[in-house]
Amino acid sequence: GAGVSQSPRYKVTKRGQDVALRCDPISGHVSLYWYRQALGQGPEFLTYFNYEAQQDKSGLPNDRFSAERPEGSISTLTIQRTEQRDSAMYRCASSLWGSGTGYEQYFGPGTRLTVT
Amino acid sequence: GIQVEQSPPDLILQEGANSTLRCNFSDSVNNLQWFHQNPWGQLINLFYIPSGTKQNGRLSATTVATERYSLLYISSSQTTDSGVYFCAVGRYGGATNKLIFGTGTLLAVQP
Repeated sequence: GAGVSQSPRYKVTKRGQDVALRCDPISGHVSLYWYRQALGQGPEFLTYFNYEAQQDKSGLPNDRFSAERPEGSISTLTIQRTEQRDSAMYRCASSLWGSGTGYEQYFGPGTRLTVT
Repeated sequence: GIQVEQSPPDLILQEGANSTLRCNFSDSVNNLQWFHQNPWGQLINLFYIPSGTKQNGRLSATTVATERYSLLYISSSQTTDSGVYFCAVGRYGGATNKLIFGTGTLLAVQP
């Protein structure tokens, strides 16, 4: 079946603009995760949903970042008033369940965000 | 929080050579995954291996959870194996199921 998809794949925006990044998880996957990856580093956790409930948002760097998953499927990560330091690869992952053997996370291709 | 260290940081191999990548983690975990980030930036699942040994073609992995390390073996390396290999660990239950990634091993396989 189809994997995790993300859109757009590339986004260039001017400092101060708002951006919305979309994630479509693997069909039937209950858990959805957002990560951010800087160049030369591993992904870092931002937030996590089970169904539509946001279970953990401890990785969101400040209140300009928010995420939602209103119907328990597609999720949107929104960054308000973007700053140059927000430039990074934003990755979405999903897993079948949030525990046990269904915990294996599968990652999407990412959205490369550049703030000029 | 849990610390994840990977070694070596960089590795250059001739095609056909074998290699071992190591991942050490600082606390007990119940999830461990190995990923390959290819030169196009895709993050590809290699193994879900919180404990034990698994093999998939030329790749195999072993996790010794009690000693807090995991090894990824690559045999008969090919140029398509080039990229960054990440180890990531997690401890599900409670409020979060996040993965914590190591800094990766950059592998270059030369023809």
